[in-house]
Amino acid sequence: DGGITQSPKYLFRKEGQNVTLSCEQNLNHDAMYWYRQDPGQGLRLIYYSQIVNDFQKGDIAEGYSVSREKKESFPLTVTSAQKNPTAFYLCASSSQGQGTIPMTFGSGTRLTVV
Amino acid sequence: SQQGEEDPQALSIQEGENATMNCSYKTSINNLQWYRQNSGRGLVHLILIRSNEREKHSGRLRVTLDTSKKSSSLLITASRAADTASYFCATDANSNYQLIWGAGTKLIIKP
Repeated sequence: DGGITQSPKYLFRKEGQNVTLSCEQNLNHDAMYWYRQDPGQGLRLIYYSQIVNDFQKGDIAEGYSVSREKKESFPLTVTSAQKNPTAFYLCASSSQGQGTIPMTFGSGTRLTVV
Repeated sequence: SQQGEEDPQALSIQEGENATMNCSYKTSINNLQWYRQNSGRGLVHLILIRSNEREKHSGRLRVTLDTSKKSSSLLITASRAADTASYFCATDANSNYQLIWGAGTKLIIKP
């Protein structure tokens, strides 16, 4: 079955530590996205990539980094510079720009700072 | 920035009743989408409606779009317990690659 796989489902980070969230898709989609969701709020875009080896900052990129070395993979690193990383992180993909065609979402990673 | 504003923030109805959620936005759009999110899960796409469309149906879902009022509504008919979820609207006002999301309507269907 085609879809998006995010791992791990739960992640705990200590203060000052970098952590990497995995996102893999087998839908052959060109575009991939990372969103952050806080309780009771909508989604905020962190980074997006329209094509391999290219990515752009979204609304809240500070403290995060990404890479897009393969079409299937779009990992997100939450760095120590992100002061409030506790949130639910969602990865998504689409075959074209997300405004023109529906996105497929992964099941999310819940990150908690301990 | 949050362009889409869903209304109400929360809605609780009896199973079998109809549920209506509204979404308002501020700037002109090409498309508006509705998504559903079950608790602690990813989002699932429901319907995409283009700015030149006024109404769209999918099973028990009906979406309307009024570009003059910059608003959309999502109607779920004959609700079921499985419809319990949060519902989000998203617009493409910024660009094709940056949707703007509302904070969602939390729908609870009571058995």
